[in-house]
Amino acid sequence: DAGITQSPRYKITETGRQVTLMCHQTWSHSYMFWYRQDLGHGLRLIYYSAAADITDKGEVPDGYVVSRSKTENFPLTLESATRSQTSVYFCASSLDSLEAFFGQGTRLTVV
Amino acid sequence: AQSVTQLDSQVPVFEEAPVELRCNYSSSVSVYLFWYVQYPNQGLQLLLKYLSGSTLVESINGFEAEFNKSQTSFHLRKPSVHISDTAEYFCAVREYSGGGADGLTFGKGTHLIIQP
Repeated sequence: DAGITQSPRYKITETGRQVTLMCHQTWSHSYMFWYRQDLGHGLRLIYYSAAADITDKGEVPDGYVVSRSKTENFPLTLESATRSQTSVYFCASSLDSLEAFFGQGTRLTVV
Repeated sequence: AQSVTQLDSQVPVFEEAPVELRCNYSSSVSVYLFWYVQYPNQGLQLLLKYLSGSTLVESINGFEAEFNKSQTSFHLRKPSVHISDTAEYFCAVREYSGGGADGLTFGKGTHLIIQP
């Protein structure tokens, strides 16, 4: 289906484990973003990418790693998960860096 | 760096009544402004945006927002709300940097609760 999809939708992992959240878009948008949503904080930017092989840190990048070898994919990896990374994660893409289209989100729980 | 303040975390209103959700931003340069809506267990959807031109922008479902540069505000209004408008609303800003993409800065959100 066309659009932006995130997987998995729900994930429970243990402290210290590595976990990867996937994001795939079918529009060939140049720009992609990862946000986390926490109560009382709204959405905060973790990483963003302007094109394949170009990524940069956002507001809260510590503990996360991204890659973008292909335009359509932008995975987010938590290298060693901590309880503070329990959150809802949203991936977004944009053609012109202005209007962003969001995925359905991944609810991650670190126990 | 830009910042966004949504003055109300929760706004209860009766069905068919008018509503205003307030948004103020802080930036030293020109900005683009957005309102997004999030229904339960879903991602964010763009409701409306101000890029340039007319300071009053409208959505297809009856919402409108007005960019006020002197007040650095972008309040969202609807003259008559429906139960289906119950959602979380986020104001967002992006500075006009002439290029590049460093993402949107979001407010903390306002939960609009429509009471029958």
